[in-house]
Amino acid sequence: QQQVKQSPQSLIVQKGGISIINCAYENTAFDYFPWYQQFPGKGPALLIAIRPDVSEKKEGRFTISFNKSAKQFSLHIMDSQPGDSATYFCAASMEGGTSYGKLTFGQGTILTVHP
Amino acid sequence: KAGVTQTPRYLIKTRGQQVTLSCSPISGHRSVSWYQQTPGQGLQFLFEYFSETQRNKGNFPGRFSGRQFSNSRSEMNVSTLELGDSALYLCASRVGRATGELFFGEGSRLTVL
Repeated sequence: QQQVKQSPQSLIVQKGGISIINCAYENTAFDYFPWYQQFPGKGPALLIAIRPDVSEKKEGRFTISFNKSAKQFSLHIMDSQPGDSATYFCAASMEGGTSYGKLTFGQGTILTVHP
Repeated sequence: KAGVTQTPRYLIKTRGQQVTLSCSPISGHRSVSWYQQTPGQGLQFLFEYFSETQRNKGNFPGRFSGRQFSNSRSEMNVSTLELGDSALYLCASRVGRATGELFFGEGSRLTVL
């Protein structure tokens, strides 16, 4: 029930294309869904996050789409650039109760954007 | 503002030894959590500290322990190292107890031989 399943494992996109990464969760108590970006040799960095009362959130070229009934959420990267090449992790947490903000991560997607 | 600082960045140990990793959170952040990152298991939660108290713990054996000091700095210790403990250990801090953005450090890369 604590799992977050992420797909695909790897993704290759041409410059200017749209990158789409999908995640699914089981625990309906999750109430915070962030996406993290990680470059080699660096720690993950928060990219964008959404809460379940919103179906979509956009920040620049990055958009999260959230489907509460299907328990799925996805990251769309518009106009993908070679500099977007990194590993992307979706995550989920319960910000109340006894979980104290523990993040449950998906397995990650290695995105490669070809110039 | 300085980010999360982890030391050492790289270390090599042999089986059976123990290791202590250190984390200095962003100034003003009172919550520190630790994650283990491996190619096979991905990012897994180890534990979280707030005001020197462990608030949450992941599914790791008792060989993994941690603590937080009054200045919010944190350490984690792994005793009786096993080959499978080879991983990137990431520390993250946040302002409050459970909400908001987690800021990660660059990690401590542990290799167990």
